[in-house]
Amino acid sequence: DVKVTQSSRYLVKRTGEKVFLECVQDMDHENMFWYRQDPGLGLRLIYFSYDVKMKEKGDIPEGYSVSREKKERFSLILESASTNQTSMYLCASSLSGPTDTQYFGPGTRLTVL
Amino acid sequence: GQQVMRIPQYQHVQEGEDFTTYCNSSTTLSNIQWYKQRPGGHPVFLIQLVKSGEVKKQKRLTFQFGEAKKNSSLHITATQTTDVGTYFCAGIPGNQFYFGTGTSLTVIP
Repeated sequence: DVKVTQSSRYLVKRTGEKVFLECVQDMDHENMFWYRQDPGLGLRLIYFSYDVKMKEKGDIPEGYSVSREKKERFSLILESASTNQTSMYLCASSLSGPTDTQYFGPGTRLTVL
Repeated sequence: GQQVMRIPQYQHVQEGEDFTTYCNSSTTLSNIQWYKQRPGGHPVFLIQLVKSGEVKKQKRLTFQFGEAKKNSSLHITATQTTDVGTYFCAGIPGNQFYFGTGTSLTVIP
């Protein structure tokens, strides 16, 4: 079974802090994604990566950056957290093609005070 | 921007009743996927539809892809409390996933 893990289930940070959200997948998937999920807005793509050291902006990249130094790990970085970044963050991975099934991690509920 | 819409956002049904939700896209989709997210959980893949007019079944769930490949439906027959959750469609109009906002299903025992 594919396993996607995220570093924290719950995280509380203060405005202005730098925040790292880590995601690891164990199935040698090429593609990895970061989404945020907010009530009434569904899943919105922040960034994605189709290969190591490669990244592409999704629909809402502002205020975020990512890092993919190793194939299995995709990190989301909030350089200076703001209250409007309070959300559920979901990481996903897929095998190789852009239409392959996505496997999601359990999510990180981030609260920025 | 590209949008994959779902209709409706929330739906409450009595246990045993049927449930249907839809996804509409402004452009033709190469394929469509459906996911389910249980309360407190994460989205889990249910099915993928690729061909125009395709119909697939999973026990009490029936998925259909429209002839024009711009819409899709999910129908649950005789809902059970285990069906509770949010059902998302994900369309791929180009080379990137777009998730709909989902329909949250509540089943009243």
